Amino acid sequence: ETGVTQTPRHLVMGMTNKKSLKCEQHLGHNAMYWYKQSAKKPLELMFVYNFKEQTENNSVPSRFSPECPNSSHLFLHLHTLQPEDSALYLCASSTGTGDQPQHFGDGTRLSIL
Amino acid sequence: QKEVEQNSGPLSVPEGAIASLNCTYSDRVSQSFFWYRQYSGKSPELIMSIYSNGDKEDGRFTAQLNKASQYVSLLIRDSQPSDSATYLCAVNKRGNAGNNRKLIWGLGTSLAVNP
Repeated sequence: ETGVTQTPRHLVMGMTNKKSLKCEQHLGHNAMYWYKQSAKKPLELMFVYNFKEQTENNSVPSRFSPECPNSSHLFLHLHTLQPEDSALYLCASSTGTGDQPQHFGDGTRLSIL
Repeated sequence: QKEVEQNSGPLSVPEGAIASLNCTYSDRVSQSFFWYRQYSGKSPELIMSIYSNGDKEDGRFTAQLNKASQYVSLLIRDSQPSDSATYLCAVNKRGNAGNNRKLIWGLGTSLAVNP
């Protein structure tokens, strides 16, 4: 596999469910990101990890819990989500957290019932 | 004022024409700038990165940066129907930790290339 892979591609869950999104990158990058993309809004940065350490939490509600066990894998654990959390969740990676470009996975389309 | 501003469009051009997409930003110390293309239902795909004032060309794409005026643009020559997509401008600004940067995104400009 190459690039950035996200699973699942689609997820429908109730407000009381617990689920996790997974991201894996095969680019040898050291930094990984979670973004939220909603209609008519710019991409919103959620979390940044560099060499497995979290360097940015953009005031994200605690119902979103990231985990980065190594530089190639990133998870987003979800629990007690709200309908307004329905969106496209994108994972990205880059060589570092400086001026390097980011490369995106295909995203997970999340729908909260 | 939004940190990164783009005209939402839609921008409609005939096939073979030049499409011109513009982006302005508010942070004067930003040093790196990116254009991404996003097809409907897909993820953003990097088209160009630019770091210095002036023009940077890659195939049919040219990025132009003017830091004094705080704008960056993307020209697409010989536009094709397959270029129809939303084009996102992203600007790096300083993050919360050390030398880290974070990308600030515009809303995107929708481009339609008509056969």
